[in-house]
Amino acid sequence: SQELEQSPQSLIVQEGKNLTINCTSSKTLYGLYWYKQKYGEGLIFLMMLQKGGEEKSHEKITAKLDEKKQQSSLHITASQPSHAGIYLCGASSYSGAGSYQLTFGKGTKLSVIP
Amino acid sequence: DVKVTQSSRYLVKRTGEKVFLECVQDMDHENMFWYRQDPGLGLRLIYFSYDVKMKEKGDIPEGYSVSREKKERFSLILESASTNQTSMYLCASSIAGIYTDTQYFGPGTRLTVL
Repeated sequence: SQELEQSPQSLIVQEGKNLTINCTSSKTLYGLYWYKQKYGEGLIFLMMLQKGGEEKSHEKITAKLDEKKQQSSLHITASQPSHAGIYLCGASSYSGAGSYQLTFGKGTKLSVIP
Repeated sequence: DVKVTQSSRYLVKRTGEKVFLECVQDMDHENMFWYRQDPGLGLRLIYFSYDVKMKEKGDIPEGYSVSREKKERFSLILESASTNQTSMYLCASSIAGIYTDTQYFGPGTRLTVL
């Protein structure tokens, strides 16, 4: 089964600083998802990367997929308190009958100090 | 916007009780999923369904059952709740058929079993 390892497990940064979160897969990545979760709430979809070295940006968040390294990185530029939360990566795998499952990393907890 | 709702945000039950967690999505998605989320273990898939009346076991189905009588509704059932089922339960839905189908999550139900 596919396993995803996220690093770091937690991160505390000063407001305005840049940061990077990594997600490394034990198998080839075909679809890689990034989600954000506020404490005690559901997951909010951020972006999805497909196989092929894709890079996407939304506001101050950029995600890249390095298929050779089987790794994705999430980069936040000029962090703000609103960026605080838990970031999770998820990888898609086929589960039969035309549907796909997501396997998740354990998450990276980000705190942003004003 | 996709909307996934869950019947309760917080629930407290006693050991041995039968517990129903309900999830409803309004986007006509074929796939629906139930996860539990625990500190240090991340999100783990309990069951999923790719069509009405169809269900598939996820990684940790023991102690749970599911029901999908209508396309928009997916229920998770704890036949006899136990303290080790205290957890955050998250429901998700997605379109079927493509490996890049994004899963959209509900707000979660925090269940405490006393």
